[in-house]
Amino acid sequence: KAGVTQTPRYLIKTRGQQVTLSCSPISGHRSVSWYQQTPGQGLQFLFEYFSETQRNKGNFPGRFSGRQFSNSRSEMNVSTLELGDSALYLCASSLGLAGTQETQYFGPGTRLLVL
Amino acid sequence: AQSVTQPDIHITVSEGASLELRCNYSYGATPYLFWYVQSPGQGLQLLLKYFSGDTLVQGIKGFEAEFKRSQSSFNLRKPSVHWSDAAEYFCAVGHNYGQNFVFGPGTRLSVLP
Repeated sequence: KAGVTQTPRYLIKTRGQQVTLSCSPISGHRSVSWYQQTPGQGLQFLFEYFSETQRNKGNFPGRFSGRQFSNSRSEMNVSTLELGDSALYLCASSLGLAGTQETQYFGPGTRLLVL
Repeated sequence: AQSVTQPDIHITVSEGASLELRCNYSYGATPYLFWYVQSPGQGLQLLLKYFSGDTLVQGIKGFEAEFKRSQSSFNLRKPSVHWSDAAEYFCAVGHNYGQNFVFGPGTRLSVLP
């Protein structure tokens, strides 16, 4: 089976712009979770989608949003980018909800640099 | 809310030496515990997980971890470290009520030749 794929792998944006990141889960997985990883804050949970519905949300401002399509692919969007949004954004997929016994499988991440 | 601590930010060991990475969690019930590894520039790979049963779990790449309820710990061990084990290691906790999956801050492992 193909693993979790994320596109693009690298992205450079300027402050005030918006960005959309894409994640394709492992075939058959219905849950997609997003994480932000920075040197200062570590791995922080953004949100989780399961069957096209947002099930959980982390403590991030409303500029961070996401959605999931009927084929389980997910996108996350960040509007009005700030310098502090520079990070590695990781996507993970699992068969069931991530906050349970389910194993999450991670993609390689999208590295976003905001100038 | 549950939390995970990894007391060691950075550990350096010599190749062939044994390794123990510490993980402590805070959660009222029995948690689901995971160890992930992240190589530079890569995503996270699951090493092992504990849900219930035998408190000593075996994982990939020769790693094992032991769940100790009395100490709220889930330490990762490897008897003989290889240079390719140099990476960042994350302990994480999930549970049965669909709340947010929580990662510890990570421990960076360096391996000396």
